[in-house]
Amino acid sequence: EIVLTQSPGTLSLSPGERATLSCRASQSVTNNYLAWFQQKPDQAPRLLIYGASSRATGIPDRFSGSGSGTDFTLTISRLEPEDFAVFYCQQYGSSPYTFGQGTKLEIK
Amino acid sequence: ELQLVESGGGLVKPGGSLRISCAASGFTFSDAWMSWVRQAPGKGPEWLGLIARKIGGGASKYAAPVEGRFTISRDDSKNTLYLEMNSLKTEDTAVYYCTTYRPVGGWYWGQGTLVTVST
Repeated sequence: EIVLTQSPGTLSLSPGERATLSCRASQSVTNNYLAWFQQKPDQAPRLLIYGASSRATGIPDRFSGSGSGTDFTLTISRLEPEDFAVFYCQQYGSSPYTFGQGTKLEIK
Repeated sequence: ELQLVESGGGLVKPGGSLRISCAASGFTFSDAWMSWVRQAPGKGPEWLGLIARKIGGGASKYAAPVEGRFTISRDDSKNTLYLEMNSLKTEDTAVYYCTTYRPVGGWYWGQGTLVTVST
């Protein structure tokens, strides 16, 4: 089973700043099948990025994904007030598909 | 438009059983690999398992915590995915989501259905 470790656990930033979230896999993710989700309270997770770097439909271009193998990054270039939430990475290259434990992005 | 709509959640006693459903539309269901994901209160998402399309054998795979207790099945004539849950435990309390991956567009999720296991 691939274990995904997200860091930091909590990230405190201000609107307008750049956010960099990390997701590290315990072994290489097949075909870089790595997704990023954003979740706000009482809502279902929302897909941001799939295939490590492809933006999902309707996702603003301030969100970008990068990385390969075992190290992946979600970058939010300039934070908007609505971006603050919890973010999860998920690998779907090999079963069991697994999620990271999450990074909480909070307003400083 | 691709849609996934879960139903059948509710309150069940420990040791009990429940079957939840997911009605799919907006894509060729019979061609799709389908998955179930759950999220317990205050926790992150947890992948439960998947079922392949029948033309690929229709095999299913499960996460360790539910293997042997949960069964995923599909009825392609009804465009419906099922999750049969047996020997339910209080720790199975969660919102259960039906999901599918499309090569263009990525992961699609339903709105979820709440299953509560309690006396």
